[in-house]
Amino acid sequence: GAGVSQTPSNKVTEKGKYVELRCDPISGHTALYWYRQSLGQGPEFLIYFQGTGAADDSGLPNDRFFAVRPEGSVSTLKIQRTERGDSAVYLCASSATGTSNEQYFGPGTRLTVT
Amino acid sequence: QKEVEQNSGPLSVPEGAIASLNCTYSDRGSQSFFWYRQYSGKSPELIMFIYSNGDKEDGRFTAQLNKASQYVSLLIRDSQPSDSATYLCAVKPRPGTASKLTFGTGTRLQVTL
Repeated sequence: GAGVSQTPSNKVTEKGKYVELRCDPISGHTALYWYRQSLGQGPEFLIYFQGTGAADDSGLPNDRFFAVRPEGSVSTLKIQRTERGDSAVYLCASSATGTSNEQYFGPGTRLTVT
Repeated sequence: QKEVEQNSGPLSVPEGAIASLNCTYSDRGSQSFFWYRQYSGKSPELIMFIYSNGDKEDGRFTAQLNKASQYVSLLIRDSQPSDSATYLCAVKPRPGTASKLTFGTGTRLQVTL
């Protein structure tokens, strides 16, 4: 079946602009995660959804970052007033349930803030 | 102290040899441990996970866990050039907490001809 998909694959934006990154999880997966990966680092947790609700948003770096998952499937990560330090690859992962061991990653969105 | 520590490498092994990748973690209550492979410019791909002390084998890969030493390793037998990638160790926290994974920085493996 289809894996996790993310759009766009690349996004270049100017400092101060607003961006939205989209994640479409594996069909039927109830848990969805956002991570951010900077060069030379491992993925860093941002937020986790179980169904429609954010079960853990402790990794969001500040209030410029927000994510939604209104129907329990597709999720959108929103970044306001982007800064150059937000440049990274944003990864989405899904798993069958919140306690499932396996998390499967999408291809990521490379965000560049100029 | 970082929560999950890995030697960044590169670890260079000849084709056909055994590659040994190591990871230590700081939270003694951690329950599940994962190895992901990440090719340059690609996203992490799950290789295997382990949650019981001892060894778990899957094809050419063996994960080893020692909770007393807070140590987990990945052995790759008969290493192939296609195994050249960065290997990420990830840890799932104790029960009752969110299901996020905490990753190390990864070890870059180079399999030489």
